[in-house]
Amino acid sequence: DIVMTQSPDSLAVSLGERATINCKSSQSILYSSNNKNYLAWYQQKPGQPPRLLIYWASTRESGVPDRFNGSGSGTDFTLTISSLQAEDVAVYYCQQYYNSPQVFGPGTKVDIK
Amino acid sequence: QVQFVQSGAEVKKPGASVKVSCKASGYTFTNYAIHWVRQAPGQGLEWMGWINAANGNTKYSQRFQDRVTITRDTSASTAYMELSSLTSEDTAVYYCGRAAYIDVWGKGATVTVSS
Repeated sequence: DIVMTQSPDSLAVSLGERATINCKSSQSILYSSNNKNYLAWYQQKPGQPPRLLIYWASTRESGVPDRFNGSGSGTDFTLTISSLQAEDVAVYYCQQYYNSPQVFGPGTKVDIK
Repeated sequence: QVQFVQSGAEVKKPGASVKVSCKASGYTFTNYAIHWVRQAPGQGLEWMGWINAANGNTKYSQRFQDRVTITRDTSASTAYMELSSLTSEDTAVYYCGRAAYIDVWGKGATVTVSS
């Protein structure tokens, strides 16, 4: 099974500052035939289901603010919140959907400093 | 709009089984897979398995292989997840969602296992 790790476990960022979350897969999740990375990012607020932010590692879901950006390829990925807003306080998860089991990372909690 | 309505909260005794439903609307049910994900209290997301809504093929996490069954009823646009031999460690919120990168999620069904 592919193992997904995230760093840091948590971070606190001042309003308007950048937040960076890293995600690493234990093997490449880049499918060579279509050159797509099978990596998604989700945001989850307390008491709510997760919300899809990014898929194919860098494609923003409709309605997601453009301050959320995904990057990376192969085994190393990053979610960047360019200017943290109060409503971005949440736990963020990466997930590989390259193969089953479609494992999630352990999550990164983002707070306001 | 696309949405899932999941069944209500359940309280079960250890050793029992639970069946959670997930009714889809707003799209063609057979065009997308349905995935099941659970979240224990204060914990992260755990993928359980998925079903091809068109042909009924399933794939399960090895962790639940012997205990989980995912089915669907295309006439009702509904998917089901049944988990057997429950223990307290199965206490969690169970979510259904659409497609491999899950773009639409149900609100979740709380399952509590307690004697």
